[in-house]
Amino acid sequence: KAGVTQTPRYLIKTRGQQVTLSCSPISGHRSVSWYQQTPGQGLQFLFEYFSETQRNKGNFPGRFSGRQFSNSRSEMNVSTLELGDSALYLCASTRDADTGELFFGEGSRLTVL
Amino acid sequence: EDQVTQSPEALRLQEGESSSLNCSYTVSGLRGLFWYRQDPGKGPEFLFTLYSAGEEKEKERLKATLTKKESFLHITAPKPEDSATYLCAVQAGNFNKFYFGSGTKLNVKP
Repeated sequence: KAGVTQTPRYLIKTRGQQVTLSCSPISGHRSVSWYQQTPGQGLQFLFEYFSETQRNKGNFPGRFSGRQFSNSRSEMNVSTLELGDSALYLCASTRDADTGELFFGEGSRLTVL
Repeated sequence: EDQVTQSPEALRLQEGESSSLNCSYTVSGLRGLFWYRQDPGKGPEFLFTLYSAGEEKEKERLKATLTKKESFLHITAPKPEDSATYLCAVQAGNFNKFYFGSGTKLNVKP
């Protein structure tokens, strides 16, 4: 069974640009969450989608957005990039709608110059 | 405010030297406490879920326990391959929203 797949794995952008990251969950998983991981802040919740609906959102500015498609694949977008957006962005999927362990992808490492 | 704190930040052990990692939490409406292991350059990997005080789970050299305010991850006779960052997360409120601690980086020397 394939795991959670994230693309791209690495990318470098400059301030002011925008970026789109993609996540394909495990087959059959309908909940997809996104997390930002930095050395100083650890893992911070961005948002969670279930059946194409955003159900939860973390404390991030509106520059961070996401969406989920009917096949459960998800994308997140960051506009007007800032240096502080440099981080590992992790996607996780869960089988159940309301509980259960997260299955993480290997992440997309974003560097903003 | 919901909060998860892990200690110590880093831990160096000799192979075979047992120890414990701590995860304390202040959340309203705890629905579950999760332990993950993260290796460098990889996403976290699920280890355990604990739901109620007094519950214990074991897997090889790892044992997780839960009280009303904290959880411990006990590592018995660790091996170098146990070296990783161990993350604690709590699920509170509705749906799949988790609060993570900052992790404990474990280094086991042969």
